[in-house]
Amino acid sequence: SAVISQKPSRDICQRGTSLTIQCQVDSQVTMMFWYRQQPGQSLTLIATANQGSEATYESGFVIDKFPISRPNLTFSTLTVSNMSPEDSSIYLCSVDFWGMNEQYFGPGTRLTVT
Amino acid sequence: GENVEQHPSTLSVQEGDSAVIKCTYSDSASNYFPWYKQELGKGPQLIIDIRSNVGEKKDQRIAVTLNKTAKHFSLHITETQPEDSAVYFCAAIFNAGGTSYGKLTFGQGTILTVHP
Repeated sequence: SAVISQKPSRDICQRGTSLTIQCQVDSQVTMMFWYRQQPGQSLTLIATANQGSEATYESGFVIDKFPISRPNLTFSTLTVSNMSPEDSSIYLCSVDFWGMNEQYFGPGTRLTVT
Repeated sequence: GENVEQHPSTLSVQEGDSAVIKCTYSDSASNYFPWYKQELGKGPQLIIDIRSNVGEKKDQRIAVTLNKTAKHFSLHITETQPEDSAVYFCAAIFNAGGTSYGKLTFGQGTILTVHP
């Protein structure tokens, strides 16, 4: 089965700084997504990472705060910009290999903002 | 709007007992319903799913049932084991605005504890 990896696995950052999270899949995928999971909460979709075009953001999430890149079919990045303590969460990428709505998640990046 | 309600929020069972988690959804057009298991410090793992053209699906000790009329679906775990202890999330696909790919919306999660 395909492997989904994320870097970094965790980080502690100062407020006002930015962090870029990478998601790498070892095979080409149709769809890639980014989710946020606040402490003890469920998952919320941030955006769909579109290959070769701008990401599609969900209500409440904006490109200036969460810029996303997807340069090819196996890689995407999410940047959390100008961080505040409220951004402390687990950030997860997911992929849909076949366009059948089955999403598989990476291990997550645990971000703490101080 | 899009909504998935999940109950209970916590569930404690003895090893060997069955566990049932229930979810209701709001959009009658939803057609895909996955269940995820999330262990501490890990990403969610897809454990079973069901599409709207079937009423039940089983995979060893886990099963999912779907009632489209009532707009609810359930996860059943039989012969529970301590390693089943985790947070379980239901989800549903909502297709907005006629797009070909829908948005996966998650329930609030159920913390399952299986006592040896």
